[in-house]
Amino acid sequence: SAVISQKPSRDICQRGTSLTIQCQVDSQVTMMFWYRQQPGQSLTLIATANQGSEATYESGFVIDKFPISRPNLTFSTLTVSNMSPEDSSIYLCSVANWWAQYEQYFGPGTRLTVT
Amino acid sequence: GDSVTQMEGPVTLSEEAFLTINCTYTATGYPSLFWYVQYPGEGLQLLLKATKADDKGSNKGFEATYRKETTSFHLEKGSVQVSDSAVYFCAPNTNAGKSTFGDGTTLTVKP
Repeated sequence: SAVISQKPSRDICQRGTSLTIQCQVDSQVTMMFWYRQQPGQSLTLIATANQGSEATYESGFVIDKFPISRPNLTFSTLTVSNMSPEDSSIYLCSVANWWAQYEQYFGPGTRLTVT
Repeated sequence: GDSVTQMEGPVTLSEEAFLTINCTYTATGYPSLFWYVQYPGEGLQLLLKATKADDKGSNKGFEATYRKETTSFHLEKGSVQVSDSAVYFCAPNTNAGKSTFGDGTTLTVKP
C-alpha cells in the first residue's frame, strides 16, 4: 500500500485565477494519476503524470488548462488554470505500481470551489 | 473503447440482507478487475481485486469472481451491516495501468 497526502485539502478561489495542488507519496511509485470527481458522481481521469516527461491527457483535457508536473517518483502537481465555476470539484491524486497489477491508492482529495 | 456498466443505485437494504451489485465491462485483453469503496466522509480505497479468470477477490466479507466468459465482476456479501453503507465503484484496469470507473452504486443499510 501507499500513503498519499494532498495539499491543500480545500480552497475557495476566484474565477480567472489558478490553483496548484500537490500530491506526495511515501514511497516510489510507477504511475500517478489525477482525477476529478463531482460530489455524488464517478471519477473522471484527467491525465497520467509521467516522471520526467509530459503528462498524458485524456480526451477533453488539455495541458494549457491542467498543467501537470512530476519531477520524481514520489511527487506530482496539478494546476487548474484560469478557473471558472465549472472547475468546482474534488481533485484526486492516485498512484499505482505495475507489480501490484496497478491497484490504485488515492489521496484524500482537494475540494475546490470557484466563485 | 473500454467501458463499465455498473448496477444503478441507490440500493437500500436491511441489516443482514444479501447484497449483489452487478458490474460488466468491455475491454481488450485480460484486465485486472477491482472494486473500490468510498465511505461517507472518507477517501476512495481498494476493497478487493482479481487478476485472472475465475479468480475470486475477497475482503471484509465481500466477494467478487472474475468471469471472463460474461465479462462480469459482480460484488456480493452474504450479510450486510450498517457500516457497509458507502459508494461502491467497479473499475477494470483496461489500458496501460489506467482504470475505467463505473458510475458508482450507493448502498444504504438500515438497522
